[in-house]
Amino acid sequence: GENVEQHPSTLSVQEGDSAVIKCTYSDSASNYFPWYKQELGKRPQLIIDIRSNVGEKKDQRIAVTLNKTAKHFSLHITETQPEDSAVYFCAASKGAGNMLTFGGGTRLMVKP
Amino acid sequence: DTAVSQTPKYLVTQMGNDKSIKCEQNLGHDTMYWYKQDSKKFLKIMFSYNNKELIINETVPNRFSPKSPDKAHLNLHINSLELGDSAVYFCASSPRPGQSPLHFGNGTRLTVT
Repeated sequence: GENVEQHPSTLSVQEGDSAVIKCTYSDSASNYFPWYKQELGKRPQLIIDIRSNVGEKKDQRIAVTLNKTAKHFSLHITETQPEDSAVYFCAASKGAGNMLTFGGGTRLMVKP
Repeated sequence: DTAVSQTPKYLVTQMGNDKSIKCEQNLGHDTMYWYKQDSKKFLKIMFSYNNKELIINETVPNRFSPKSPDKAHLNLHINSLELGDSAVYFCASSPRPGQSPLHFGNGTRLTVT
């Protein structure tokens, strides 16, 4: 089955700096890669996703890049703010009809 | 209007007891899930139901028994609770199996003493 590894497990940045979280996946048939954000004591929520037919997607301060050949994808957050502090999960699946496999999560701390 | 609601929010109980967590979604989704999140924050799928039918049953002890009376509800019953069952349990739903996005409930923090 699919295996998703996520690094780093914790990341501390200064407000205004950029943060990058990386994930690798094992199943080359995976074609859908969402990212979820979980604030402290709250539920995970989808923040951005990318499908395998594109290499990059951007939404304001967050962007996701995908390298299918290397089987890795990354989340980039620019101009970080304290409210970006949360646990971020990457995930991968082979699309509709297949389950998501989550990475282990990254705890991002943005210091004011 | 909470899309995926689960109760209770907190559950504290002793080892050996039996407890249930309820989940309901009002999104009209066909697929519902139970995830377990341990103290290290790993999100692990336990079960998935599509239109009341079990489609995913990961390696979960038989003490855990899901029940889906209709496609809007997926309850989780746990028998003979053990210390290692302490975790946050999230219910979730999606339009179809694996179809984005996954909508999570607010979680049930289960503490077994």
